Amino acid sequence: DVKVTQSSRYLVKRTGEKVFLECVQDMDHENMFWYRQDPGLGLRLIYFSYDVKMKEKGDIPEGYSVSREKKERFSLILESASTNQTSMYLCASRAGDRVTGELFFGEGSRLTVL
Amino acid sequence: DAKTTQPPSMDCAEGRAANLPCNHSTISGNEYVYWYRQIHSQGPQYIIHGLKNNETNEMASLIITEDRKSSTLILPHATLRDTAVYYCIVPLLTSGTYKYIFGTGTRLKVLA
Repeated sequence: DVKVTQSSRYLVKRTGEKVFLECVQDMDHENMFWYRQDPGLGLRLIYFSYDVKMKEKGDIPEGYSVSREKKERFSLILESASTNQTSMYLCASRAGDRVTGELFFGEGSRLTVL
Repeated sequence: DAKTTQPPSMDCAEGRAANLPCNHSTISGNEYVYWYRQIHSQGPQYIIHGLKNNETNEMASLIITEDRKSSTLILPHATLRDTAVYYCIVPLLTSGTYKYIFGTGTRLKVLA
């Protein structure tokens, strides 16, 4: 069974802390994505990666960075967490190149910044 | 870049067909239409996709108009478990891969 695993379902952090959200996929997918989901705003794309060490900004990259050192792992980093980054974060992966590839999602990480 | 427009919410009686519309008037000739759904507190789940022909699988049917400017997802016999947010997406080719922009979707409520 295909699997996208996010390291923490729930996190509580303080303003100014550095936060790492980890995502691992076991499908050898080239493409990985980070979204955040807020009520009334749907899912918004933060960053995506199409290969190891490659990354592209999504629609709302400000305040975030990412790391893709290995194919299976895509990390989202909040350098200095702020209260407006309280949200549900969703990671997804997809096989590369094929125009008809399906996105597979993790269960999500709910982050609260106090 | 193709964008999609969906109604924010719909109701459907249990056992009846649920027809969820989507407009994608700026879609180009080789862009696919995808549908996903998200049940509360879970990650979105793939339902179906199509290019120009109608498609059917065990979950749903997808009807795409001849001009490809709109499509309809059909759940033939909706159940209470189909209550979810449904997203219509046209993936955008960028930097050699496809970017999925989800938007706010349609919140479908299936009523007993």
